[in-house]
Amino acid sequence: FMLTQPRSVSESPGKTVTISCTRSSGSIASNFVQWFQQRPGGAPTTVIYQDDQRPSGVPGRFSGSIDSSSNSASLTISGLQTEDEADYYCHSYDSSDWVFGGGTKVTVL
Amino acid sequence: QVQLQESGPGLVKPSETLSLTCTVSGDSITNYYCNWIRQSPGKGLEWIAYMYYIGNTNSNPSLKGRVSISIDTSKNQFSLKLTSVTAADTAIYYCATAARGRPVNWGLGTLVTVSP
Repeated sequence: FMLTQPRSVSESPGKTVTISCTRSSGSIASNFVQWFQQRPGGAPTTVIYQDDQRPSGVPGRFSGSIDSSSNSASLTISGLQTEDEADYYCHSYDSSDWVFGGGTKVTVL
Repeated sequence: QVQLQESGPGLVKPSETLSLTCTVSGDSITNYYCNWIRQSPGKGLEWIAYMYYIGNTNSNPSLKGRVSISIDTSKNQFSLKLTSVTAADTAIYYCATAARGRPVNWGLGTLVTVSP
């Protein structure tokens, strides 16, 4: 299966952005979804795991969810800050193999 | 806190074998699925392969049998070999560990350039 994300989103500081991740086949609920943040020049880090869990140290502004009706997952960043400008990748499993979305560039205007 | 560090040559000649090692600290490698991921310049993330310490392993079909991954539990390390490299294999290579109920841990990445 594939995971499809929008190429880019942009919003002003303090606003809310939501990034979608649509699974092409099979149920989005059948395998956990993770979200990784990659700031310019940096390595990826996990901001959401197991659909909606936040690792310690990740601000509460980040939240994750899945929607079976649209077969998609979403990452929502509320109270957008300049430091949130980054690429975001959704990820899931195909058995034990990894599948990544193409990435979404978040620009803070 | 689990930390991962990739190591290996930054330059590999075409047709030769790329070899990288990931050293894990802060927890036993036996608690995790060990993965390699790469990112070509300006591109997205591409999963390469995984291994679990008891021997379960698989790799991305797009790499067509050029990949092998191994684990050394005594050193808490896992390794990647990619044979017959070309310029298309130039990328930042990341190691990462995953376990049920835990966030994925990532290394900082290492740039490997394939060039004569």
